[in-house]
Amino acid sequence: DVKVTQSSRYLVKRTGEKVFLECVQDMDHENMFWYRQDPGLGLRLIYFSYDVKMKEKGDIPEGYSVSREKKERFSLILESASTNQTSMYLCASSSTGRASFYGYTFGSGTRLTVV
Amino acid sequence: AQSVTQPDIHITVSEGASLELRCNYSYGATPYLFWYVQSPGQGLQLLLKYFSGDTLVQGIKGFEAEFKRSQSSFNLRKPSVHWSDAAEYFCAVGELNTGFQKLVFGTGTRLLVSP
Repeated sequence: DVKVTQSSRYLVKRTGEKVFLECVQDMDHENMFWYRQDPGLGLRLIYFSYDVKMKEKGDIPEGYSVSREKKERFSLILESASTNQTSMYLCASSSTGRASFYGYTFGSGTRLTVV
Repeated sequence: AQSVTQPDIHITVSEGASLELRCNYSYGATPYLFWYVQSPGQGLQLLLKYFSGDTLVQGIKGFEAEFKRSQSSFNLRKPSVHWSDAAEYFCAVGELNTGFQKLVFGTGTRLLVSP
């Protein structure tokens, strides 16, 4: 069964800490995405990557950075966590190409609380 | 830019009753359309997708959706709802650009199932 695995289901961090959220996929997908999900706002795209070492800003990149050193792994970094970054974070991956585009496969999410 | 509207934030349906969740999109060409479901505390799972061909598509868990170009709609239906269908449902449209594909999500509809 194909999978997108997020390393933590729940995280509690202190304000000002540097936070790493890890995502690994085993489907050899080219594209990977980080979203945050907040009640009433749906899913908002933070960053995405369409190749190793490539990244593009999404709709809400402020306060975040990403790293993709290997095809299967896409990390989201909160340089200095703040309380307004308390949220559910979802990682997703997809293949490239119209013929092989079947939407995203999502991880189970990481619920981050910043105190 | 593409957009997706889910006009109902919450819907309550009695168990055994039929269900229709509304989705309207804006997209110039033939869209790639998706419905995802999210159970509490989980990631998103693909229910069904439409790329082309028959405008009535069948998905998992007994769900179906109908693409209506004239109405720019892709409504999700189920003839008889089960208590386990209580979840949040997201409609999405695929934004197909060179090299990668992005999904634009609606804000979701939360389904409550009453006994």
